[in-house]
Amino acid sequence: DQQVKQNSPSLSVQEGRISILNCDYTNSMFDYFLWYKKYPAEGPTFLISISSIKDKNEDGRFTVFLNKSAKHLSLHIVPSQPGDSAVYFCAASHSNYQLIWGAGTKLIIKP
Amino acid sequence: DTEVTQTPKHLVMGMTNKKSLKCEQHMGHRAMYWYKQKAKKPPELMFVYSYEKLSINESVPSRFSPECPNSSLLNLHLHALQPEDSALYLCASSHGRSTEAFFGQGTRLTVV
Repeated sequence: DQQVKQNSPSLSVQEGRISILNCDYTNSMFDYFLWYKKYPAEGPTFLISISSIKDKNEDGRFTVFLNKSAKHLSLHIVPSQPGDSAVYFCAASHSNYQLIWGAGTKLIIKP
Repeated sequence: DTEVTQTPKHLVMGMTNKKSLKCEQHMGHRAMYWYKQKAKKPPELMFVYSYEKLSINESVPSRFSPECPNSSLLNLHLHALQPEDSALYLCASSHGRSTEAFFGQGTRLTVV
């Protein structure tokens, strides 16, 4: 039973345009959501997070939106840059240290 | 210092070998984690240490044995591994629950 789902295995975006990565979850007890970026053969790098009491969090080119009623969150990257090409993981947590991870979306930024 | 340092970066071991993976952080984080990641999959949680005590063991086989000697160090002792245990082993740390975890670069383990 996948509690966190990233339904797009890959996404291709033109450099300079907006990248939108989506994530859905099923467990209404999740109260904290995070996005990580991962390059091949490296550990994930934390990007941005959002608490369930908010619906938006912004950090530079990255914005995360949370829609609790739809159990949906999205990561917007604007403008997209070549260095943004990586695998992006959505993760969620509640009540303990465990993060529940999505399967990841591979973002490809085209020049 | 915002780094989690893992050694070695690469490790090849036979099925009868005993080896250890090491992880170190100096950010004052009280939670430390071991994850296993296979290609094209998300990280899978193995163990969580909170305040140097094992708080989560995700039903990991006993051939993996974690150890937390102090608040900055985390080890993973390996013995009698199988080829299917080959993966990227990631260490992470965080201040506490629901805060972002910082990951190390991982140890690429190959069991032959």
